[in-house]
Amino acid sequence: SQKIEQNSEALNIQEGKTATLTCNYTNYSPAYLQWYRQDPGRGPVFLLLIRENEKEKRKERLKVTFDTTLKQSLFHITASQPADSATYLCALFYSSASKIIFGSGTRLSIRP
Amino acid sequence: DTAVSQTPKYLVTQMGNDKSIKCEQNLGHDTMYWYKQDSKKFLKIMFSYNNKELIINETVPNRFSPKSPDKAHLNLHINSLELGDSAVYFCASSHRGTSGRAREQFFGPGTRLTVL
Repeated sequence: SQKIEQNSEALNIQEGKTATLTCNYTNYSPAYLQWYRQDPGRGPVFLLLIRENEKEKRKERLKVTFDTTLKQSLFHITASQPADSATYLCALFYSSASKIIFGSGTRLSIRP
Repeated sequence: DTAVSQTPKYLVTQMGNDKSIKCEQNLGHDTMYWYKQDSKKFLKIMFSYNNKELIINETVPNRFSPKSPDKAHLNLHINSLELGDSAVYFCASSHRGTSGRAREQFFGPGTRLTVL
């Protein structure tokens, strides 16, 4: 069965540095992959979508890469700020089976 | 204006009871979802409806029954509640997109269900 793994449960970095979060999956490559941010007590909020035929997507300080050979997506936040502290979830979408799988998330903490 | 709303926000009930959670979206989306997020924060899809038709039905107990009276609403009814049903339940909506592919999802604020 399809599995998705986000590299670490928690990540602590210094303000101003680049945060890099990893999402790995097994078996089939998804049609596309999304990244969400979730704050405590709230629902996830969509950040970026990247399709299987795309290598990289950017939005302001955010960058997502998608490597179907490595079966991996990387999510980068440059010039990180304490306000970026949250849990970040990756989600895989398989159009053939209309299947959606979310990772368990990485809790990112940016210290001043 | 709230895009995706859920009621109630908190639900505390006894084992064996029947309860419902309501969800409404005013975004004009054609697809709605129910997710369960357990204590380890793992978000798992339960159901997905497109234009009131069930398109994803993951392995959940048949005590859980979604009902979609129209495209803007997807309610979740749970019979004979069990301790293991305690979790946060999220409703979400999206456009279906081309080739049947779902797009970005908009999530509601969640309903924290506690079964005693």
